[in-house]
Amino acid sequence: SAVISQKPSRDICQRGTSLTIQCQVDSQVTMMFWYRQQPGQSLTLIATANQGSEATYESGFVIDKFPISRPNLTFSTLTVSNMSPEDSSIYLCSVDLRDLGETQYFGPGTRLLVL
Amino acid sequence: GNSVTQMEGPVTLSEEAFLTINCTYTATGYPSLFWYVQYPGEGLQLLLKATKADDKGSNKGFEATYRKETTSFHLEKGSVQVSDSAVYFCAYRNDYKLSFGAGTTVTVRA
Repeated sequence: SAVISQKPSRDICQRGTSLTIQCQVDSQVTMMFWYRQQPGQSLTLIATANQGSEATYESGFVIDKFPISRPNLTFSTLTVSNMSPEDSSIYLCSVDLRDLGETQYFGPGTRLLVL
Repeated sequence: GNSVTQMEGPVTLSEEAFLTINCTYTATGYPSLFWYVQYPGEGLQLLLKATKADDKGSNKGFEATYRKETTSFHLEKGSVQVSDSAVYFCAYRNDYKLSFGAGTTVTVRA
């Protein structure tokens, strides 16, 4: 498996501000993913982040709102921009370990509350 | 289109009871199937998986069998414990993307 850490673990933010979430993996991985889990809901894929290329966003998510960086094979950031209360969610990063049976492993999540 | 449907909760059980959470999928081909668990206040953990028809995934006393004929991957545990209280998500993998069911909240009472 992989050890994945996220910072911050939680935050309370004011509307109109931006928050950058960091995801660090203990091994080099090609594919990293960012998910959103709204309160009481399932997980929704925001985007796929591959090192050396632009992130690929899912329907309903745009780069201006959720810019992503992937500077190397062990790190990625997701920024939630111009936040509103509707952005209050858990944001999770995951990594794809195809050499271990096509399993995705998830970070602990960042719990965001926007006031 | 492709989707996964799982039994809605919440489910409340007594300790040592039998647990079943139904999960069915609609997908082209034969996707890999997963059960993830989210304990209170924690992130998502892989519970078990199956990558082809008739495979049985198992972990921590939980089992699920990949049934191609019924397109199902039901999760079962014969005797639950209070520590099994969590939200359980069924998921399938299409290429590299995971699609999740709505999640089932399970509460086990002592």
